[in-house]
Amino acid sequence: DAGVTQSPTHLIKTRGQHVTLRCSPISGHKSVSWYQQVLGQGPQFIFQYYEKEERGRGNFPDRFSARQFPNYSSELNVNALLLGDSALYLCASSSGFGNQPQHFGDGTRLSIL
Amino acid sequence: GESVGLHLPTLSVQEGDNSIINCAYSNSASDYFIWYKQESGKGPQFIIDIRSNMDKRQGQRVTVLLNKTVKHLSLQIAATQPGDSAVYFCAETSSMNRDDKIIFGKGTRLHILP
Repeated sequence: DAGVTQSPTHLIKTRGQHVTLRCSPISGHKSVSWYQQVLGQGPQFIFQYYEKEERGRGNFPDRFSARQFPNYSSELNVNALLLGDSALYLCASSSGFGNQPQHFGDGTRLSIL
Repeated sequence: GESVGLHLPTLSVQEGDNSIINCAYSNSASDYFIWYKQESGKGPQFIIDIRSNMDKRQGQRVTVLLNKTVKHLSLQIAATQPGDSAVYFCAETSSMNRDDKIIFGKGTRLHILP
């Protein structure tokens, strides 16, 4: 069975641009969460969507937004990119809501020049 | 505030020996704990989880121990193999949250000596 898939795997952008990252959850999973992982640190929670509704938002600026589609796939959008946005962006899915194992994709490596 | 920390940033273990990775947490409301393994260039891989109504859970070659009294979590890996080399994260979440936000620690790098 396919795991969580993310695209693209790598992306290079310049300051001020915007980016859209995509995630397909494990088949049957209805919850998708996004995390940012800066080099040398653990992932930081950005958003969670469950049944197409936002269920949680981490401490990130409004430049970060996301949505979930009827097929449960998700997009993360970041506007007005800053150098500090360079990171690995991870998507995780789980079958339900509330203390369920979350399974991660291999992420999108975003580099801002 | 909430935090999940690790006692040792790097752990070196002889191949074939057992590994023990420790973790402290500070949020008393946390009731679900997960260990993840992250290899270079990959996303975190789920290893094992434990809920707060348990103090021990075993998987294949791994055991997680939870001590709620001192807010301590550990991951034991039996007969460590070269493929176990990775960064290990303990993580926590709480059913009292409106979301399933997982709080990760900074990670412990496990290095296997030949």
